[in-house]
Amino acid sequence: GAVVSQHPSWVICKSGTSVKIECRSLDFQATTMFWYRQFPKQSLMLMATSNEGSKATYEQGVEKDKFLINHASLTLSTLTVTSAHPEDSSFYICSARDLAAYTFGSGTRLTVV
Amino acid sequence: GQQLNQSPQSMFIQEGEDVSMNCTSSSIFNTWLWYKQDPGEGPVLLIALYKAGELTSNGRLTAQFGITRKDSFLNISASIPSDVGIYFCAGLGNEKLTFGTGTRLTIIP
Repeated sequence: GAVVSQHPSWVICKSGTSVKIECRSLDFQATTMFWYRQFPKQSLMLMATSNEGSKATYEQGVEKDKFLINHASLTLSTLTVTSAHPEDSSFYICSARDLAAYTFGSGTRLTVV
Repeated sequence: GQQLNQSPQSMFIQEGEDVSMNCTSSSIFNTWLWYKQDPGEGPVLLIALYKAGELTSNGRLTAQFGITRKDSFLNISASIPSDVGIYFCAGLGNEKLTFGTGTRLTIIP
């Protein structure tokens, strides 16, 4: 079955620095990937849709200049949290679409101190 | 963003019991999905439903796509310890998934 790899699984960074999270589809090509954020004991909220070779589409209320998305190849999308602050601490999860199936990565726990 | 309403929010059951949870939406979806999420992990797909009225099973799990296309339910029979986790429904619309609020399942020893 489809496998999505997300890296790193956890990261701790200092306030004001930037963090990059990678999402790879290992055994299929994904023209579209999705980035979600999940706060403790809450559901997954879609942040943006990452489109290969074009600009990402952000959901309402998500700052595109803060959460930079790059989808340069059919198997890799990256999310960069720029100038991170403690309120950006969360669980970030990517998803890739393979035909009609949506497969999720294992998530990245970001802690900003 | 929009969320789907799931109930119950949490369940505490004994091993061997059956479990039932449901998901409702104010919007129509053409595809309903049920996922399970373990702590610190991403969601894993359990069952996908593509047609109103469809009843689909995956081992001890059974899910149905409501006739109105605004709801779905998931049943787990004869629960076992590894069923512990958070269950999310998700509706697919405009090629994007909208997730439910989640049902946390705990098995009491």
